[in-house]
Amino acid sequence: DSGVTQTPKHLITATGQRVTLRCSPRSGDLSVYWYQQSLDQGLQFLIQYYNGEERAKGNILERFSAQQFPDLHSELNLSSLELGDSALYFCASSLGPGGGTESNEQFFGPGTRLTVL
Amino acid sequence: AQKVTQAQTEISVVEKEDVTLDCVYETRDTTYYLFWYKQPPSGELVFLIRRNSFDEQNEISGRYSWNFQKSTSSFNFTITASQVVDSAVYFCALSPASGGSYIPTFGRGTSLIVHP
Repeated sequence: DSGVTQTPKHLITATGQRVTLRCSPRSGDLSVYWYQQSLDQGLQFLIQYYNGEERAKGNILERFSAQQFPDLHSELNLSSLELGDSALYFCASSLGPGGGTESNEQFFGPGTRLTVL
Repeated sequence: AQKVTQAQTEISVVEKEDVTLDCVYETRDTTYYLFWYKQPPSGELVFLIRRNSFDEQNEISGRYSWNFQKSTSSFNFTITASQVVDSAVYFCALSPASGGSYIPTFGRGTSLIVHP
């Protein structure tokens, strides 16, 4: 158990809908990262927040947005969903803002499996 | 730009065989980190190892060992005496160690199937 929690575990919705995925980082971690894992794209970084502020942005679609709240939990909002958005969405957390030092090692949550029908 | 290549899409072995998972990377950074993660059928990503680019010592942890060769830009992972519980998808990843962007780039993963 990494200490990172994600809800819900599974989500089934229809095209055009909007969903919110939630992530609680490990206790004490200030950074939250979101990744998308799909069969055709592999594991892709979406966005990172550090202590409430956006820190880095990856291949995140404009239909997607995220935020980190004062209690450090984060939400990933996916709107106007398309079939191709079906994927496993991971959240990870680290103590620091980034880098490969020990304080920035990323711990991954169990993921949310999103199915868009 | 960074790139991680795991050329083996799927490997199938019989229990107790040794198996090596290949990872080749490309980067222009002079300092970087390399990682291996395991994704068992349950889906979570489990951290296995982190290696600094300036440390080319091989590492052994139980049945797991890692061979880092900067000259060939490779960071291969060997499982000795494989077990059924080793069946998983294994990801190699690379991140810069300086410059402000530390987001890892992942390979496409190698699916390891260990048969009893």
